Amino acid sequence: DIQMTQSPSSLSASVGDRVTIACRASQSINTYLNWYQQKPGKAPKLLIYAASSLQSGVPSRFSGSGSGTDFTLTISSLQPEDFATYYCQQSYSIPLTFGPGTKVDIK
Amino acid sequence: QVQLQESGPGLVKPSETLSLTCTVSGGSISSYYWSWIRQPPGKGLEWIANIYYSGSTNYNPSFKSRVTISVDTSKNQFSLKVRSVTAADTAVYYCARGGPVTRFDYWGQGILVTVSS
Repeated sequence: DIQMTQSPSSLSASVGDRVTIACRASQSINTYLNWYQQKPGKAPKLLIYAASSLQSGVPSRFSGSGSGTDFTLTISSLQPEDFATYYCQQSYSIPLTFGPGTKVDIK
Repeated sequence: QVQLQESGPGLVKPSETLSLTCTVSGGSISSYYWSWIRQPPGKGLEWIANIYYSGSTNYNPSFKSRVTISVDTSKNQFSLKVRSVTAADTAVYYCARGGPVTRFDYWGQGILVTVSS
């Protein structure tokens, strides 16, 4: 199985801050990497697919980069509605696996 | 706009079978992968299985053959069965569109299934 790790596991930030979340795969997954945002009691929402493609309707302050084993999700200017948990997910091989999540809360 | 809705019992007894159905509306189930994903309370996301509209399947080996996924294209539905459940199977179960080399772009709202006697 491909193991996904994320860092940090949590962070505190202020509105307007630039936030970066890292995701690492235990082996190369090319660019088969997706990012999701989840708010309490809600289903995850797709933000970024194929490492760097912005899902339709997602604000442009979200961006993704990386390939191989190391990936990054960046929020250029954190907004109040961005406080949530973020998950990366590899779609390269079965079983499909998610990272453990990064919780972003208010400083 | 594609919408997914999970349905099934919210309470299942230990050792019994958990059965859930996902109804897809606003689009055809054809030409896509469809998955089940679960999230135990307060924990992360775990992919369970996926099915292609044609019926080909993939399963997470961690479920040790306890799981069956199926599709009914005539009803635009796909289903999940988890046999011999224990308290560890208590989770919110989501259905989603997506699978290998794709992304989960549409999700159901989730259904909490509690395993308890």
